[in-house]
Amino acid sequence: DAGVTQSPTHLIKTRGQQVTLRCSPKSGHDTVSWYQQALGQGPQFIFQYYEEEERQRGNFPDRFSGHQFPNYSSELNVNALLLGDSALYLCASSPGHSYEQYFGPGTRLTVT
Amino acid sequence: AQRVTQPEKLLSVFKGAPVELKCNYSYSGSPELFWYVQYSRQRLQLLLRHISRESIKGFTADLNKGETSFHLKKPFAQEEDSAMYYCALGAPNTGGFKTIFGAGTRLFVKA
Repeated sequence: DAGVTQSPTHLIKTRGQQVTLRCSPKSGHDTVSWYQQALGQGPQFIFQYYEEEERQRGNFPDRFSGHQFPNYSSELNVNALLLGDSALYLCASSPGHSYEQYFGPGTRLTVT
Repeated sequence: AQRVTQPEKLLSVFKGAPVELKCNYSYSGSPELFWYVQYSRQRLQLLLRHISRESIKGFTADLNKGETSFHLKKPFAQEEDSAMYYCALGAPNTGGFKTIFGAGTRLFVKA
């Protein structure tokens, strides 16, 4: 089991563009959470998907949206990118009713 | 408001010295508390959780509800303990399994 995988590893976008980040959970996990980690900060909770639905959401604008597929993989979409969206985006997976999360390596997004 | 505070950004100790990484939380209910660790060039990983009441790699953490703290301790620091440590709070009263992280403390263990 490769654990949680994320793609791409890093990417550069321009202000106003849209981006999609992808995550495959650890085998046996059905819940995916997304976090934004700015430089020097801890991960900030964006949202969590369970059974293909957004179960919980943090304080992020509607520009941040997601999706979970039947195989439990997930996407994070960010529209109308701002410079402030530059960060490391982490995906974490867990069994459905557990806080014990396994993290992916992250996707480094740079917005210019 | 739900919040996790780690007052020290950097903690530097000598090998063999005791270490304590501080964590305070704010939550109106019964949270679950965790410590995550990130070693150099590795991904973030769970170190321990308060409900397990276990010692991992010599680290322990006790939940003090009166002081709303969950400090991480180790009696004798090792060089391989050098890493970034994050305290995290699981908020069960929010309809899901949301986790709130502190800003982290970088531990540097000197030889």
